[in-house]
Amino acid sequence: GAVVSQHPSRVICKSGTSVKIECRSLDFQATTMFWYRQFPKQSLMLMATSNEGSKATYEQGVEKDKFLINHASLTLSTLTVTSAHPEDSSFYICSARDPGPGGGTGELFFGEGSRLTVL
Amino acid sequence: GENVEQHPSTLSVQEGDSAVIKCTYSDSASNYFPWYKQELGKRPQLIIDIRSNVGEKKDQRIAVTLNKTAKHFSLHITETQPEDSAVYFCAASNYAGKSTFGDGTTLTVKP
Repeated sequence: GAVVSQHPSRVICKSGTSVKIECRSLDFQATTMFWYRQFPKQSLMLMATSNEGSKATYEQGVEKDKFLINHASLTLSTLTVTSAHPEDSSFYICSARDPGPGGGTGELFFGEGSRLTVL
Repeated sequence: GENVEQHPSTLSVQEGDSAVIKCTYSDSASNYFPWYKQELGKRPQLIIDIRSNVGEKKDQRIAVTLNKTAKHFSLHITETQPEDSAVYFCAASNYAGKSTFGDGTTLTVKP
């Protein structure tokens, strides 16, 4: 089945630094990828929709200047948390839809997730 | 936008009993309804899904029903086992794959 790979799985950084997380679709092309954030014991909250070749679409309340998204190719989207602070510590997960034959299957595949800890 | 409500937030059952989790959604444009199982620190794993043109789907001990008119869908797990213990999320997705998740249900299956 389709695979989405996310890297790194864990990252610890100092407050004020930037962290980049990569999301790759390994055996399909993803024109759209999604970035979610999950705080402990909470649900997955959509942060933004990453669109290949164009600007990302951010959900209400998500700072686009803080969470930079780049989707430069059909298989790679990156999320950069800039000037990270302890409150940004969370589990970040990407997903991508495998279009399948004829498009529109809708099934989402999730990356392994990246646990960010900001000291 | 889409709003998904999930109930109950916690569910405890005895091994061998059935478990039912219910979700409602608001956007009639949603056409794909996956259910995910998430173990601590791991990514959500798709366990079953249903599309808007289907009313029911079953895969061994797991089944999902969808009432498109009422905008609700349910997960049914029969003959529960301790390894079924996890957090379960429902989601409503549109054609593009954009998903809105429920708040999750923590299922505990007691041996």
